[in-house]
Amino acid sequence: QAGLTQPPSVSKGLRQTATLTCTGNSNNVGNQGVAWLQQHQGHPPKLLSYRNNNRPSGISERLSASRSGNTASLTITGLQPEDEADYYCSAWDSSLSAWVFGGGTKLTVL
Amino acid sequence: QVQLVESGGGVVQPGGSLRLSCAASGFTFSSYGMHWVRQAPGKGLEWVAFIRNDGGNKFYADSVKGRFSISRDNSKNTLYLQMNSLTAEDTAVYYCVKEGTDFDYWGQGTLVTVSS
Repeated sequence: QAGLTQPPSVSKGLRQTATLTCTGNSNNVGNQGVAWLQQHQGHPPKLLSYRNNNRPSGISERLSASRSGNTASLTITGLQPEDEADYYCSAWDSSLSAWVFGGGTKLTVL
Repeated sequence: QVQLVESGGGVVQPGGSLRLSCAASGFTFSSYGMHWVRQAPGKGLEWVAFIRNDGGNKFYADSVKGRFSISRDNSKNTLYLQMNSLTAEDTAVYYCVKEGTDFDYWGQGTLVTVSS
C-alpha cells in the first residue's frame, strides 16, 4: 500500500521553528483527517494532533497542524531539546480502505 | 487512565502462528474501534488492522490480508491479533492502539520475531 511522503530528516536550531510536511493525494490527506504522532527512541508513539489541526489535552501550544490541498504540515515553534524525535503523519485512504502512514521525519534540534 | 497492555509476542519459526492479546482498561472498551500497528526494528510505523467497536467492520493492510485476523471480546475488554503464515518481514513490535480521536492511546508494544 502506498504511504504518505515525509522528508527523512529536518534539522533546526534551538528556539527556531520547524515545519514538517506530509504529502499524499486526494484519497487521503486531501480529503481525510490527518493525524500527527511523535515518537522518542524506545517509546511508543504519542498523538500530537488529530483530524488536521486539533491538539489533544496536554499537548504544547508550540505545536500546530494545518493542511493545504494534498499536503499537511506540522509546525513546532521555539524548538526545545525534548522536541528531538521522529514524527509521523497518518490518514485514512478511501481508495485503499486502509490507514496509511508517512515514512517519518527525524527532527534534530541543534 | 487509559491502559493498553499487549502480550503474546515471542520468537516463532517462519510459517508459524502466534496470537497477540491486548488488555484494555480505563475506558469503555466496547465504545471504541481498535487498531494494531507494527514497527519493524529501526523502521517506521505500519498500520496492520482495525476493528470497529462492535466487531462488525474489519480492515487489513494488504501485507497481512488473508494471513492475519483481528478480533475482540468486549466482555473481557480484550483485543486480539491472530497471525498465521508468518515470515521474517513480520518481525516487529506490535502496538495495540485505541481509535478515539485518531490513534489516541498506544500500548507499550510486544515484540514478534520470526526466525529459524
